Amino acid sequence: GDSVTQMEGPVTLSEEAFLTINCTYTATGYPSLFWYVQYPGEGLQLLLKATKADDKGSNKGFEATYRKETTSFHLEKGSVQVSDSAVYFCALSGSGNTGKLIFGQGTTLQVKP
Amino acid sequence: DAGVTQSPTHLIKTRGQQVTLRCSPKSGHDTVSWYQQALGQGPQFIFQYYEEEERQRGNFPDRFSGHQFPNYSSELNVNALLLGDSALYLCASSLGDRPEYFGPGTRLTVT
Repeated sequence: GDSVTQMEGPVTLSEEAFLTINCTYTATGYPSLFWYVQYPGEGLQLLLKATKADDKGSNKGFEATYRKETTSFHLEKGSVQVSDSAVYFCALSGSGNTGKLIFGQGTTLQVKP
Repeated sequence: DAGVTQSPTHLIKTRGQQVTLRCSPKSGHDTVSWYQQALGQGPQFIFQYYEEEERQRGNFPDRFSGHQFPNYSSELNVNALLLGDSALYLCASSLGDRPEYFGPGTRLTVT
């Protein structure tokens, strides 16, 4: 079945460092891909999404490109801030699927001043 | 706009008991999905409701049931609680297929 694999955490960076969180997926057809962020004690917030190959999702300085050839959707940010500290989840919604999201296990990011 | 709201915020139950969690979708949304998030894990899809019917279901036992009301709000019921049901339960709403708005969740502890 469909699945999402994220790089193991936690990831610890200094402020203004470059961030990459790897995400790969297994799915039939053409899924839509998402990154969600979860701040401590809160629910999930949609960070960005891409619905077809080569699409780039972006928001708040974060970017991810839908790479069908490598089945990847890596999250990047050029300069992280302490306020970016959170858990990041990669997710997919399968093609023809009526809304079920399949999540990776999450990657914890800690940014130190 | 209040967004997706869930109640209660936290609750503690004993094994074997039953629990009901509630969700109000974002204004204008007609589809509600429920997810279970165990500690340190990603959310797992339980089921989705649309037009007051269960449209899709994940790999959860029949102890997990739900309901959607005419105003699109929804309930999640869990019977015969097990210790392993302890988790954060998230509700998500959307207009159409793909939920993008999640509530803050209900933290359920089973002792």
